[in-house]
Amino acid sequence: DAGITQSPRHKVTETGTPVTLRCHQTENHRYMYWYRQDPGHGLRLIHYSYGVKDTDKGEVSDGYSVSRSKTEDFLLTLESATSSQTSVYFCAIRRPGTDTLHGANVLTFGAGSRLTVL
Amino acid sequence: TQLLEQSPQFLSIQEGENLTVYCNSSSVFSSLQWYRQEPGEGPVLLVTVVTGGEVKKLKRLTFQFGDARKDSSLHITAAQPGDTGLYLCAANFGNEKLTFGTGTRLTIIP
Repeated sequence: DAGITQSPRHKVTETGTPVTLRCHQTENHRYMYWYRQDPGHGLRLIHYSYGVKDTDKGEVSDGYSVSRSKTEDFLLTLESATSSQTSVYFCAIRRPGTDTLHGANVLTFGAGSRLTVL
Repeated sequence: TQLLEQSPQFLSIQEGENLTVYCNSSSVFSSLQWYRQEPGEGPVLLVTVVTGGEVKKLKRLTFQFGDARKDSSLHITAAQPGDTGLYLCAANFGNEKLTFGTGTRLTIIP
C-alpha cells in the first residue's frame, strides 16, 4: 500500500456547484500534487504543494484552488464546477527513491477520483 | 510550455512479439521517467533515466535515454498479456514539476 488515498472515488455533480476532492497521505511527505487525466492529453498538473500552506500553480490551474493546512491532507476545490472539468483526478506524493532503477524521487499516485459534471 | 510527444498513440500486437515506444521533446530533459497505468488505477513508476545515453533494464523491458537528452525509448521483448496498459513518459525540465506525455496504449493479444 502506497499510503495515499483519495476521496471520493466517484462523484457526479451539476454545473455551478462546488466540489472538493481530498487527498490523504500517511507517510508525512513534503510534496503533493494534483493532476487531471483526459483522453488525448495525458496527465496535466493542476496545483502542487511543497509544504503546509505552501502551494503553486501547474499548467491547468484556472478554475481550481487548493489548500494544505496539515501535512497529510491536500484538498482540491472546484468553486463552481463546469462540464469541462469532467475528468479523472489523481493525487500524487513525492517520495525518496530507494533504488537506482527508480532514481532519487518517486511519484506515487492515488487510485484517482472520477468526477462528472452535468 | 514544454511538450512531450509519445508514439505510437495506440499499439496492438500478438503475444511474443517485440515492440518499441518513443518519447520525444524539442527541449532537453534533466531526467525522464516511464510509468505504466492499468484501468482504474494510478500510474506506477517503472524507471528513471538521468544520464544521456543511459540504458536500464527491468526484466523484458529496456529503457534508453537519448544522447542529447531530448528523447527516450521503451523496448519490450517477447510481449506478454500482462504488459497491456497505458505507458506514460514524464520529463523533468529542470524544475519541481513533471510534464507527462499523452501516452501509448498497448494491447497484447494472447
